[in-house]
Amino acid sequence: GAGVSQTPSNKVTEKGKYVELRCDPISGHTALYWYRQSLGQGPEFLIYFQGTGAADDSGLPNDRFFAVRPEGSVSTLKIQRTERGDSAVYLCASSWDSQYEQYFGPGTRLTVT
Amino acid sequence: SQQGEEDPQALSIQEGENATMNCSYKTSINNLQWYRQNSGRGLVHLILIRSNEREKHSGRLRVTLDTSKKSSSLLITASRAADTASYFCATDYTSGTYKYIFGTGTRLKVLA
Repeated sequence: GAGVSQTPSNKVTEKGKYVELRCDPISGHTALYWYRQSLGQGPEFLIYFQGTGAADDSGLPNDRFFAVRPEGSVSTLKIQRTERGDSAVYLCASSWDSQYEQYFGPGTRLTVT
Repeated sequence: SQQGEEDPQALSIQEGENATMNCSYKTSINNLQWYRQNSGRGLVHLILIRSNEREKHSGRLRVTLDTSKKSSSLLITASRAADTASYFCATDYTSGTYKYIFGTGTRLKVLA
């Protein structure tokens, strides 16, 4: 079946702009995770959803970052007033439930100029 | 901050040799997972080991978990050039939520 997909694959934006990153999880997976990864580092946890609700958003760096999953499937990560330090690869993963293996999407490479 | 730390940070071996990488973590966990990443994108799940398990195998992979030492190891036997990748451990917390924290990774290079 289809894996986790993320769109766009690449996004270049100017400092101060607003961006939305989309994640389509594997059908039936209740848990959805967002991470970001900088070069040479491991994925950094941002937020995870169990169903429609954010079960843990402790990794969001500040209030410019927000994520939603209104129907318990597709999720959107929203970044307001982007800064150059937001440049990274944003990874999405889903799993059948939160105590099981995660399936990762290919990521969105965000570049803020 | 990172919950888990892998060592070594980088490892270079000849094809056919075994590769061992270690992961240490700081707090009690429910489970620990190992992932592989090629070319900086697309992590692939390798093995999940739960806190009440001590060892798991999958093909050429063997994972051990020592909760008393808060450490895990990943052994890849008879390595191949295609095993060249970064390997990460990820741990959750027994704090009521299941966020996963990834380590800094081991960059493995297998020379043909």
